[in-house]
Amino acid sequence: AQSVTQLDSQVPVFEEAPVELRCNYSSSVSVYLFWYVQYPNQGLQLLLKYLSGSTLVKGINGFEAEFNKSQTSFHLRKPSVHISDTAEYFCAVILSSNTGKLIFGQGTTLQVKP
Amino acid sequence: DAGVTQSPTHLIKTRGQQVTLRCSPKSGHDTVSWYQQALGQGPQFIFQYYEEEERQRGNFPDRFSGHQFPNYSSELNVNALLLGDSALYLCASSYKPGQGFYEQYFGPGTRLTVT
Repeated sequence: AQSVTQLDSQVPVFEEAPVELRCNYSSSVSVYLFWYVQYPNQGLQLLLKYLSGSTLVKGINGFEAEFNKSQTSFHLRKPSVHISDTAEYFCAVILSSNTGKLIFGQGTTLQVKP
Repeated sequence: DAGVTQSPTHLIKTRGQQVTLRCSPKSGHDTVSWYQQALGQGPQFIFQYYEEEERQRGNFPDRFSGHQFPNYSSELNVNALLLGDSALYLCASSYKPGQGFYEQYFGPGTRLTVT
């Protein structure tokens, strides 16, 4: 069965430090990959996506992610975080065999400390 | 350009009651998907509608049903509410599958509390 695993439930980091949020997936077919952010009491906002082409993708708010097919990973990175980046981050996949349904990980809480 | 809108924002219901949630998709989109997000969890796919029909369904009981209208807006209905139905219900809009666009855009959600 297809699944998405976010390896850290919480990531505390100091302001202006770099951060990496880890995501691994399991699928027998090719996938399209996404990262979403959820601020408190809000819906999900699309940060970035990988559909094809360059494995390094850039998104909004200075975030980027790298698709690694051999390791079935799609880790999210930011070189310098701000207090305003404090939020819940979700990794999600869409299967190439079923492009109507997003499969989400459990989420990672990024806590940026001053 | 209006994004995805949902109503109501919050709702409190009693066990056994029925509830209807509403969603209007982003301008230009014709497909609506519904997700349930329990506290501390990732969203779980409930079902997807396009061309006014349910096209696929996740692992949810028949108590969960929906509808899509000719203007692409959608409703999610839940009958015989259980305490475990308490969650944030998210609506996402997109283009129909198979057109090469895979992004789904989410609304702010409806917070349902069942007491």
